[in-house]
Amino acid sequence: QSVLTQPPSASGTPGQRVTISCSGSSSNIGSNTVNWYQQLPGTAPKLLIYSNNQRPSGVPDRFSGSKSGTSASLAISGLQSEDEADYYCAAWDDGLIGAVFGGGTQLTVL
Amino acid sequence: EVQLVESGGVLEQPGRSLRLSCAASGFTFDDYAMHWVRQAPGKGLEWVSGISWNSGTIGYADSVKGRFIISRDNAKNSLYLQMNSLRAEDTALYYCAKGSDSSGYSTTFDYWGQGTLVTVSS
Repeated sequence: QSVLTQPPSASGTPGQRVTISCSGSSSNIGSNTVNWYQQLPGTAPKLLIYSNNQRPSGVPDRFSGSKSGTSASLAISGLQSEDEADYYCAAWDDGLIGAVFGGGTQLTVL
Repeated sequence: EVQLVESGGVLEQPGRSLRLSCAASGFTFDDYAMHWVRQAPGKGLEWVSGISWNSGTIGYADSVKGRFIISRDNAKNSLYLQMNSLRAEDTALYYCAKGSDSSGYSTTFDYWGQGTLVTVSS
C-alpha cells in the first residue's frame, strides 16, 4: 500500500489529452513539492516534472504538472505512442521523514 | 555527462549481508545528496535511503531501518549501501539516484543509474 495514491492504469488515443492523479496527505503533498517520473519499459526512471510544475531541460511541453492541496496531477497532451510508460509521483513526507512514491500508473496508448 | 554505475548485486541467502556500490562521474559529487531507490520485480518504486552531501543527514525507509546502512566516500565519488539481515522482500533492482540539492530532504532525483539486481533466496 503506497503512501501516495495513483490509479493503476490510464489510457488514451494518439493526440488525446490524459491526466494522472496523485493523492496524498498534509504530511507529504500538502506541505512539500511533487515530482513525477516516467519509466519506459525496461529502463530506469527519468525525472519528468519537478517542483510541482517544472520541466527539466529536454522534456517536451506536452507534459505538465499541477498541485492543489493534498493532490497533484500530471497531464499529457498530444499523446504519442512513445509516451506509453509507467508514471510515478513522489513527495517528501515530513511524518515519515523520508521520500514516498505513488504506486505508479501504467499508461497505454491505444 | 552524468553517469551512475551500480554494482554488487547478487543472489544471496536470507540473513546474510551484501554491500552495493555506486560509482559517480560527470558532476561534483560532494555537492549533492545521493539516494537508493529499489523496485521489486513487477512492482513500483520504493525509496530506500538518502544521504546529504557531507553525510550529516541520513534517512531510511521504515522497511530497512536498523538493517541497512548508507554511506558515501566523497574522495572516491562513491555511494554505498550495506545491506544486513537480508530478507526475501529485499529482492529488487536497486537504483542509485542523484539528488538535485545537497540536503537529502528532497525527492527530486535528476539522474539515475541502470540498477543492480539483488535476489534474496535460499
